[in-house]
Amino acid sequence: DVKVTQSSRYLVKRTGEKVFLECVQDMDHENMFWYRQDPGLGLRLIYFSYDVKMKEKGDIPEGYSVSREKKERFSLILESASTNQTSMYLCASSLQGNLNTEAFFGQGTRLTVV
Amino acid sequence: AQSVTQPDIHITVSEGASLELRCNYSYGATPYLFWYVQSPGQGLQLLLKYFSGDTLVQGIKGFEAEFKRSQSSFNLRKPSVHWSDAAEYFCAVGEYGGATNKLIFGTGTLLAVQP
Repeated sequence: DVKVTQSSRYLVKRTGEKVFLECVQDMDHENMFWYRQDPGLGLRLIYFSYDVKMKEKGDIPEGYSVSREKKERFSLILESASTNQTSMYLCASSLQGNLNTEAFFGQGTRLTVV
Repeated sequence: AQSVTQPDIHITVSEGASLELRCNYSYGATPYLFWYVQSPGQGLQLLLKYFSGDTLVQGIKGFEAEFKRSQSSFNLRKPSVHWSDAAEYFCAVGEYGGATNKLIFGTGTLLAVQP
């Protein structure tokens, strides 16, 4: 069974903290993605990666960075957490190439910044 | 850039009634379209996808969707809704952005099912 695993389901962090969200996939996919999900706004792409150490900004990269040191792992980093980053974060992975390729999602991490 | 519009934020249907969730896309060529479902507290699961061929696509859990180029639509349907279908539904389109392929999502439609 294919799997995308996010390390935490729920996180509570303080304003100003550095926060790491971890994601691991076991499907040998080249692409990995971080989305943010907010009510009424759907899923918005923060960053994505198409290879080890390669990354690209999505639609809302401000306040975030990412790291991909190994093919199976993609980390989202909040350099200095703020209350407006309270949200659900979803990691996904997919094969590279065709536009009909589906993405597989993790369970999500609900982050609360206080 | 492509975009996806889901005009209905929230829909309530009675159990056993039929369902249609709307999705409109903007894209010049033939789009690659997807429907995902998110059950409460879960990640997203693919229901079905379309990229060519028969414009009526069958998916899992009894869902189907019809691609209509003339209306730029890809509406999701189910003939008889079950209480377990209560979830949020997302329409998405595939596009090339930067160095690779990615999905662009709509804002979602939250489905409530009344007994």
